[in-house]
Amino acid sequence: DTAVSQTPKYLVTQMGNDKSIKCEQNLGHDTMYWYKQDSKKFLKIMFSYNNKELIINETVPNRFSPKSPDKAHLNLHINSLELGDSAVYFCASSRSDRVGYHEQYFGPGTRLTVT
Amino acid sequence: GEDVEQSLFLSVREGDSSVINCTYTDSSSTYLYWYKQEPGAGLQLLTYIFSNMDMKQDQRLTVLLNKKDKHLSLRIADTQTGDSAIYFCAEYSSASKIIFGSGTRLSIRP
Repeated sequence: DTAVSQTPKYLVTQMGNDKSIKCEQNLGHDTMYWYKQDSKKFLKIMFSYNNKELIINETVPNRFSPKSPDKAHLNLHINSLELGDSAVYFCASSRSDRVGYHEQYFGPGTRLTVT
Repeated sequence: GEDVEQSLFLSVREGDSSVINCTYTDSSSTYLYWYKQEPGAGLQLLTYIFSNMDMKQDQRLTVLLNKKDKHLSLRIADTQTGDSAIYFCAEYSSASKIIFGSGTRLSIRP
């Protein structure tokens, strides 16, 4: 009965590698997000997708490419990983209607460690 | 600009009330939130308040909003050990995105 799930939970990889993180939600939401939380717990939005279309793209290196195959999934692919990419990445989802648009539900996070 | 600030740490005795404070800059914010993050877990939406409200109470939680001073607070009554977590203040900004504060780490002492 998980609402927002992410895989993997932990990811350890070397600099220069390419990796993907997957996110799925079963809440029937049509908007999904990726956030990055650094070692100081500072949380910042990276991307937002609504009905598979990109609507928010913060200043994120183009090594990061989100992909939304359908409304329930938003994956994050990272090319040429760097040490500074080490962080916890959270997926979230929400509705886009005028009542539920602002309530975001978060996944458990994926801790990425780049060595 | 968009900015949300809160103190980094708060320590309270078990059974006392905890008050976590937050200030924000975007006067156009429609919603303000309190999220809770337990160790190794994602963020959990605790409560939120619409910008035209002054106060919202939900069991042990009381949210106070002073829109004039752009100040938001979260009071947890009868703080328990299970309340130990990081509490994030956040606003739904005029840019249609949620801006988070740096989080306040609440620790409970016996």
